[in-house]
Amino acid sequence: AQSVSQHNHHVILSEAASLELGCNYSYGGTVNLFWYVQYPGQHLQLLLKYFSGDPLVKGIKGFEAEFIKSKFSFNLRKPSVQWSDTAEYFCAVLGGSQGNLIFGKGTKLSVKP
Amino acid sequence: GAGVSQSPSNKVTEKGKDVELRCDPISGHTALYWYRQSLGQGLEFLIYFQGNSAPDKSGLPSDRFSAERTGGSVSTLTIQRTQQEDSAVYLCASSLEPYGTQYFGPGTRLLVL
Repeated sequence: AQSVSQHNHHVILSEAASLELGCNYSYGGTVNLFWYVQYPGQHLQLLLKYFSGDPLVKGIKGFEAEFIKSKFSFNLRKPSVQWSDTAEYFCAVLGGSQGNLIFGKGTKLSVKP
Repeated sequence: GAGVSQSPSNKVTEKGKDVELRCDPISGHTALYWYRQSLGQGLEFLIYFQGNSAPDKSGLPSDRFSAERTGGSVSTLTIQRTQQEDSAVYLCASSLEPYGTQYFGPGTRLLVL
């Protein structure tokens, strides 16, 4: 069965620090990858996605992710975080037999002002 | 346009009672998914509908759970004889087509006392 691993449970950063959240997936074939964000009290929102093409994907709010097939990774990055980026971030692969998403456990990001 | 909506937003019930959760997908989206988000289990997939049909119900946690979709639109998730372990946030997502990008609703927070 496919799985997604997010290495960091909770990351604490100061504003303007750079961010990289790790995500590894287990599936070796063609993958469709996503990062979703859940701000406090809000629903899951799509941050960015990779289906094919350029492995460097740009999303909303200055986030980007790089698909590295040889490392089975899809890490999320942002050069300079803001307090408003405080949220929980979920990596997911579209890999279930019914087109469902398989999620990582999530990484909680706290940004100190 | 309107996103995915779910009702109720919160539901408190007593153990043993039945509950019904509703999902209204984005108009025109043929694929609909139910997920459950809980502290211990993270985000887990429950069931998928393509149109009104759910080809595989094996993701439902027990036979107390059932779901239906009518008119290719609204879906209801029913939990009979609720148990405390059913307490979670139940999320609905829809996509234009199977294996497409999924957009999530705000969820229904269920608390079983």
